[in-house]
Amino acid sequence: AQKVTQAQTEISVVEKEDVTLDCVYETRDTTYYLFWYKQPPSGELVFLIRRNSFDEQNEISGRYSWNFQKSTSSFNFTITASQVVDSAVYFCALSEAPGGTSYGKLTFGQGTILTVHP
Amino acid sequence: SAVISQKPSRDICQRGTSLTIQCQVDSQVTMMFWYRQQPGQSLTLIATANQGSEATYESGFVIDKFPISRPNLTFSTLTVSNMSPEDSSIYLCSVVVGYSNQPQHFGDGTRLSIL
Repeated sequence: AQKVTQAQTEISVVEKEDVTLDCVYETRDTTYYLFWYKQPPSGELVFLIRRNSFDEQNEISGRYSWNFQKSTSSFNFTITASQVVDSAVYFCALSEAPGGTSYGKLTFGQGTILTVHP
Repeated sequence: SAVISQKPSRDICQRGTSLTIQCQVDSQVTMMFWYRQQPGQSLTLIATANQGSEATYESGFVIDKFPISRPNLTFSTLTVSNMSPEDSSIYLCSVVVGYSNQPQHFGDGTRLSIL
């Protein structure tokens, strides 16, 4: 069975601080996808990134960066110079790769509530 | 990327009643799913909506409580039946477009409150 653990329930930072959200996953699949989503107070789920298990390169997108470490089954998310607008719940998720019987089904972590104070 | 319209966006219902939530996508999609997010909780998969056949339910969810239809490749409905306060949640539709390098898209969700 798949499992995603986000050990940090809540994080509070002051604007301009860097913050890292941890994500650890468990799966028996050899190929899989990892995701990060943002859920602002308005409730919609905003896609941030999808990473294929074959691709261990770290990715940077503006103030966001992701560190994928297959050896430790971790897919951590860092926000540099945080802003008040980054305040949201962040979810890490896992799914099978195409071809699997459970492809498309997402297993979510419990989420991390990030509060950025001015 | 797919544009997903979910209706209604929110509703307040009386216990014992039923509500049908619609999910309309602007293009044909390979897979459609329904998730539930209870207050302060993470998202849990309810079922996979299969086009032209019965939905596939996850453990803990049954067809009598959450009947699902998917008459074509762009539309699905989820009904929450005989509602109780425990059904107060956000219900989200999600789609997968093709089998290539596509992210998983979500509708904006339906916030349901049961009195």
